[in-house]
Amino acid sequence: KQEVTQIPAALSVPEGENLVLNCSFTDSAIYNLQWFRQDPGKGLTSLLLIQSSQREQTSGRLNASLDKSSGRSTLYIAASQPGDSATYLCAVRRVEYGGSQGNLIFGKGTKLSVKP
Amino acid sequence: EAQVTQNPRYLITVTGKKLTVTCSQNMNHEYMSWYRQDPGLGLRQIYYSMNVEVTDKGDVPEGYKVSRKEKRNFPLILESPSPNQTSLYFCASSRTSVYNEQFFGPGTRLTVL
Repeated sequence: KQEVTQIPAALSVPEGENLVLNCSFTDSAIYNLQWFRQDPGKGLTSLLLIQSSQREQTSGRLNASLDKSSGRSTLYIAASQPGDSATYLCAVRRVEYGGSQGNLIFGKGTKLSVKP
Repeated sequence: EAQVTQNPRYLITVTGKKLTVTCSQNMNHEYMSWYRQDPGLGLRQIYYSMNVEVTDKGDVPEGYKVSRKEKRNFPLILESPSPNQTSLYFCASSRTSVYNEQFFGPGTRLTVL
């Protein structure tokens, strides 16, 4: 059974600091891994999608890496800003057989607070 | 603007009163899905649909129904809601390939008294 874990559950940093959020998964049979951002009372915003054959993806100040063999992904945020404060979720799209689509399996998230 | 919309955004109801949460996307996506988010449990998939008239159960389908009569719409139906269905519900869509990213709606907060 695929399980996704995110550590730490919460993180508080001063503005300007570079930081890393961690995501681990138990089964390497995945199509891809997606990082999301969730603001309080809001929906999920897709940040980055990494296919299982890729090692990393970048968007602006965000860089996500994937090591499928070890079951790990990291989201690196450079020069953090108060506007980055949110909950960050990672989700893996697991491989399923019999013709069905792979479900997204989510971690419980890391709540990030960036202090001015 | 490409988006997934849900209605209503907030709903308070009573046990046993049938309700429908609508979901619509304007991106011509084949794949649509419903998730629920609960504290300590995270997001879990309820049902999904790979295309019109094709639906299947996710991880927590009990107490829910769905239909997919049109490509853009994927309503979630609670025939007889119970308090344990109090949750935050999200609709998502993507192109049919498993390699495509999923886009999420703004969420519907449901309270069943």
